[in-house]
Order: sequence, then structure tokens, then C-alpha cells
Amino acid sequence: AQKITQTQPGMFVQEKEAVTLDCTYDTSDQSYGLFWYKQPSSGEMIFLIYQGSYDEQNATEGRYSLNFQKARKSANLVISASQLGDSAMYFCAMREGAGANNLFFGTGTRLTVIP
Amino acid sequence: DGGITQSPKYLFRKEGQNVTLSCEQNLNHDAMYWYRQDPGQGLRLIYYSQIVNDFQKGDIAEGYSVSREKKESFPLTVTSAQKNPTAFYLCASSIVRGDTQYFGPGTRLTVL
Repeated sequence: AQKITQTQPGMFVQEKEAVTLDCTYDTSDQSYGLFWYKQPSSGEMIFLIYQGSYDEQNATEGRYSLNFQKARKSANLVISASQLGDSAMYFCAMREGAGANNLFFGTGTRLTVIP
Repeated sequence: DGGITQSPKYLFRKEGQNVTLSCEQNLNHDAMYWYRQDPGQGLRLIYYSQIVNDFQKGDIAEGYSVSREKKESFPLTVTSAQKNPTAFYLCASSIVRGDTQYFGPGTRLTVL
């Protein structure tokens, strides 16, 4: 089974609107971490936001927030007030275990912001 | 400026040749990682190192080798044994293992 599933290959959003990118995960560990990265066309993976499995509050970083629903095993990324520069690939990733080295990545969602 | 550098950005090699990809960080991070990304895919872990002079295989280590002689440097060698080496290679580092990983700009390797 896939550890991280991103079911939206591509998404479009109007500039200044909010958009939600879906991510579901599969793990039997109690301790894990969930990450979102942005990959612009240049290729670099840019860290956006992190949610720990024991964090009770949803993580927020500026215009990014993570909608963490533990029972449903989902960790959706919400981008508010979309900007043209938000157009990129977005990857959800999971670290299983507190000190694990490996990140399991989804296949990504390509977000296009329309002026 | 602190960060991770990878060189070169684009690399071409002939089939049967070994090639070494550079990764340097000045973030004083203990842990470093190498990932491979194929078109339309997420990243897969090749090798990681938690500390100098120590490294471990990831999910797809066959045909690759690494060294970690200095804290700042974690070069990856793609050997002729790697059957399908054309890919985008990303290096990352974290303060310690399990912490947030920060990535370099990547090297795109093409085997001709």
C-alpha cells in the first residue's frame, strides 16, 4: 500500500482565492511527522509546513495551513490568498517514527494559479 | 548565506562511466541524504548519513555509493552498475535525523 496518496494530479485556482491540496497517509506508527514541500520549475524542494502526530493544533505558516484529521489519516494543505508565484508542484511527505531517516513522498499535485 | 549547494546543475555522461555528484552544506547539520526523483514521481531515498564516517543504504541504493569524510560534504557516485541512472538527484540535510529536511537545488543527470 502507498504510504502517501495525493489524488489530485493537477489543480487550478484563481489568484487571491484559497485552495486545498489533498493528502492521505497510511501508517500504524503512533509517532510520525507530516510535511509539505513546494517544487517550482527550478527543481528545488522548498519546505513549507510540518505537523507532528501528537500536535493537537493544526500547523500554520503564513498563508499555509495544514488541515490535520488524524482519524481520517489526512493532512491537507490549505493555501490562502493564492499568488501567481504559488504555481508549482506540491508534495506531501511522511516520516514514520520519531527519529526515522526516510521520508515517504506522494506523487505530487501540480497547482496552477490563474490571473 | 547558509544553505545546501549541489553541483553541477546538469550532468551528461556516457553509458558505462561512473560520475560523482557534489553536495555541500554550511548549515552545521549532522544528517545528510540523497534522493532520486523520476518524472511524475515523488522522491526515493538512496543513501543517508547521520554523522561523519557513517552512512546507511536507503530504499534504492543499488548502483550508488557515497562517502562522508567531512560534516559539510556528502558526495554521491553513480556507478556503471546503476541500470537506469537518468534522473533528477536531490541532496538534503537536517539538524539531526528525524528533523525537517532541507534540500539543495538538485542535479539533473542524463546518460547518453
